[in-house]
Amino acid sequence: DTGVSQDPRHKITKRGQNVTFRCDPISEHNRLYWYRQTLGQGPEFLTYFQNEAQLEKSRLLSDRFSAERPKGSFSTLEIQRTEQGDSAMYLCASSLGQGLEKLFFGSGTQLSVL
Amino acid sequence: AQRVTQPEKLLSVFKGAPVELKCNYSYSGSPELFWYVQYSRQRLQLLLRHISRESIKGFTADLNKGETSFHLKKPFAQEEDSAMYYCALSTYNQGGKLIFGQGTELSVKP
Repeated sequence: DTGVSQDPRHKITKRGQNVTFRCDPISEHNRLYWYRQTLGQGPEFLTYFQNEAQLEKSRLLSDRFSAERPKGSFSTLEIQRTEQGDSAMYLCASSLGQGLEKLFFGSGTQLSVL
Repeated sequence: AQRVTQPEKLLSVFKGAPVELKCNYSYSGSPELFWYVQYSRQRLQLLLRHISRESIKGFTADLNKGETSFHLKKPFAQEEDSAMYYCALSTYNQGGKLIFGQGTELSVKP
């Protein structure tokens, strides 16, 4: 297992377009988290799943954002009608979910909205 | 609301000098505190957590509930310690999610 995998690594899009990112967690991990990181800031929590259930969404996650984890394995994060303010690094992390286990992070998807 | 503050954006020291990266948090309960590190062109990874009371790569951190701090320390910095360091907080009733500080860039000069 090579760890948490994210695809694509980079995405350039025009304002108003829809984009979708994918995250493949470590295989036995039941918790999956999405974070957003902008330049000079720490990662900000967006949402998390336990298996296929989305248990929490941050206020940062506007109606244009939607995340799914249909079979409790990989997850997708979709942003509709992208705005320039959506430009950021989108990080995925996973954990075994037994209490406060450490999170394993992916390399992230760098989104640039022109 | 929970918050983590790292007051220094950049900390620059010479090799062999002591290092202290500051972290303060606000939370009324009993949090779990972590330090994560990101080396150049690598992914974010756990450095240490307070509950483990361990020393990793010579770094230690002590939770001070009175001062609500979790400063990261190393007595003798090495060039390979240069990286971004993030302090993070989690609580048992929040599903393990982490709340991160803004990060401190540590630069160790030869």
